[in-house]
Amino acid sequence: EAQVTQNPRYLITVTGKKLTVTCSQNMNHEYMSWYRQDPGLGLRQIYYSMNVEVTDKGDVPEGYKVSRKEKRNFPLILESPSPNQTSLYFCASSPGHTNEKLFFGSGTQLSVL
Amino acid sequence: EDQVTQSPEALRLQEGESSSLNCSYTVSGLRGLFWYRQDPGKGPEFLFTLYSAGEEKEKERLKATLTKKESFLHITAPKPEDSATYLCAVQEADYGQNFVFGPGTRLSVLP
Repeated sequence: EAQVTQNPRYLITVTGKKLTVTCSQNMNHEYMSWYRQDPGLGLRQIYYSMNVEVTDKGDVPEGYKVSRKEKRNFPLILESPSPNQTSLYFCASSPGHTNEKLFFGSGTQLSVL
Repeated sequence: EDQVTQSPEALRLQEGESSSLNCSYTVSGLRGLFWYRQDPGKGPEFLFTLYSAGEEKEKERLKATLTKKESFLHITAPKPEDSATYLCAVQEADYGQNFVFGPGTRLSVLP
């Protein structure tokens, strides 16, 4: 089954404790992206990747890191999480051509205490 | 600055009561406008892509239309299972693969 898999589904952590949210897709997609979703603000892009070893900042990259060492994986790293990073996070992928729809993961609800 | 707004923020309908959701956008050049449906606790799922003013797409009880400034998602005779948050997103010309999402409209259809 074609899918984007995120883990974990729920995560509670404390300020400053490094964490990684994993994202994997099995569709051989070139494009992958991370979003955060906050009430009233919609989905905001954090980072995106056009292909292996090619990443770039989205609209809200501060406090986040990503890497794209393999085509299928695109982990999101919070090196020193803060409470304002409490949010619902989504990973998405697409074949990479313009006008191609995004396939989303099921989301990771992160709480930073 | 590119902007995507949606109205209303929330909408409650009785089963069978038709209505429309609005998505207004300001981009320098539209490459595509996308509608997604998001159920609670899940990721958004693709519904439609519209490319040019005057274009329409239909799927079951949903019809999406596009003008130069906005898009409408018309819901005809909705059922409770149509309850969800509906998101629109625009892809701008010369902006690659990236999207700008609106905040969404939360639709509740009561039996």
